[in-house]
Amino acid sequence: SQQGEEDPQALSIQEGENATMNCSYKTSINNLQWYRQNSGRGLVHLILIRSNEREKHSGRLRVTLDTSKKSSSLLITASRAADTASYFCATDMDSNYQLIWGAGTKLIIKP
Amino acid sequence: DTGVSQDPRHKITKRGQNVTFRCDPISEHNRLYWYRQTLGQGPEFLTYFQNEAQLEKSRLLSDRFSAERPKGSFSTLEIQRTEQGDSAMYLCASSFGWTDPSNEKLFFGSGTQLSVL
Repeated sequence: SQQGEEDPQALSIQEGENATMNCSYKTSINNLQWYRQNSGRGLVHLILIRSNEREKHSGRLRVTLDTSKKSSSLLITASRAADTASYFCATDMDSNYQLIWGAGTKLIIKP
Repeated sequence: DTGVSQDPRHKITKRGQNVTFRCDPISEHNRLYWYRQTLGQGPEFLTYFQNEAQLEKSRLLSDRFSAERPKGSFSTLEIQRTEQGDSAMYLCASSFGWTDPSNEKLFFGSGTQLSVL
């Protein structure tokens, strides 16, 4: 079963605009991670945010976490064509080695 | 070091045949994971190794699936008597293993795309 659900399922924006994707999850977590996947390829880790953190930045990425709402958002600023990919959130479940993944948001950046 | 390597990249087989996939993790990584991903979905956990020990296996994994990591380095995933529902991308990932698994980022290979006809 999937723990996380990303929203929207698909997003198409112009190059240079900001892209925001959301992730909701069901149970308490220790950490939440965001990954990117280019078509037909493996996943690449973007950022990890711990349950006691509210916001984290990495380059053009900003991630927020609201544990009271069980949700996270990923903001990509000044989008580029190379950002075209699917973005997944993944959460651990307490005392579990598994990462539980959502179905992802497919992001298309139009030149 | 070139990252996590998976072989083959693509495998086409007939229903009922056995298939085996190989994963070579990043050399200093102690933990190795297998995931399965179908089109439009996120990865689904299959199994996890700490060195050569298989510590966790998904309840969803049927007896037709078996994984090994005999020397704590590379790993193989075998599917016996393949079914059409086994068609998916099989992803391998590794991590350092020096802290709580939930604190670690995973390094993924490019996957093996299995098609069962």
